[in-house]
Amino acid sequence: GAVVSQHPSRVICKSGTSVKIECRSLDFQATTMFWYRQFPKQSLMLMATSNEGSKATYEQGVEKDKFLINHASLTLSTLTVTSAHPEDSSFYICSAMRGAGADTQYFGPGTRLTVL
Amino acid sequence: GQQVMQIPQYQHVQEGEDFTTYCNSSTTLSNIQWYKQRPGGHPVFLIQLVKSGEVKKQKRLTFQFGEAKKNSSLHITATQTTDVGTYFCAVTGNQFYFGTGTSLTVIP
Repeated sequence: GAVVSQHPSRVICKSGTSVKIECRSLDFQATTMFWYRQFPKQSLMLMATSNEGSKATYEQGVEKDKFLINHASLTLSTLTVTSAHPEDSSFYICSAMRGAGADTQYFGPGTRLTVL
Repeated sequence: GQQVMQIPQYQHVQEGEDFTTYCNSSTTLSNIQWYKQRPGGHPVFLIQLVKSGEVKKQKRLTFQFGEAKKNSSLHITATQTTDVGTYFCAVTGNQFYFGTGTSLTVIP
């Protein structure tokens, strides 16, 4: 099956710093990638849809200036959490769809962010 | 926005017992997908249902899509400890939404 990687898997940072998370599709080209956050024992909440070569589409309530998304190529999307605060601590998961019109999403292993 | 509720939120079963989780939508769905997330892991795609009344089986797992395409169920026969995890339904409308999830615990 399709493989999606995320880096780093865990990150601890100080409040006020920025953190970049990478999402890569390893064996396919992903025109669309999604970024989710998941709090403990809760469901996944879609943050934004990232399309290669265009601006990301953010869900209501997600600050685009705080969560910067760049989909620079068909295999890489990055999420940068700017000026992180303790309430940004969460599990961030990306997923990728293989090709236009595809329905199945392939998820990365997730990144555990802890902001002190 | 899209509302997708799952029940129950938690389920503890004895190994060998059956388990069912239900997914209910407020609107008619074009399709529904099911995912499994192991503790500490990421969601893994299980199946997609598209047709009204569709029933699909994967070994001990049976997936059903309601006739009105507003609800779906996942049934596991004779649970095993490897079935532990959270089961999410997911729907595609204008966006992609995950259900609230059902956390399954299997007691050996």
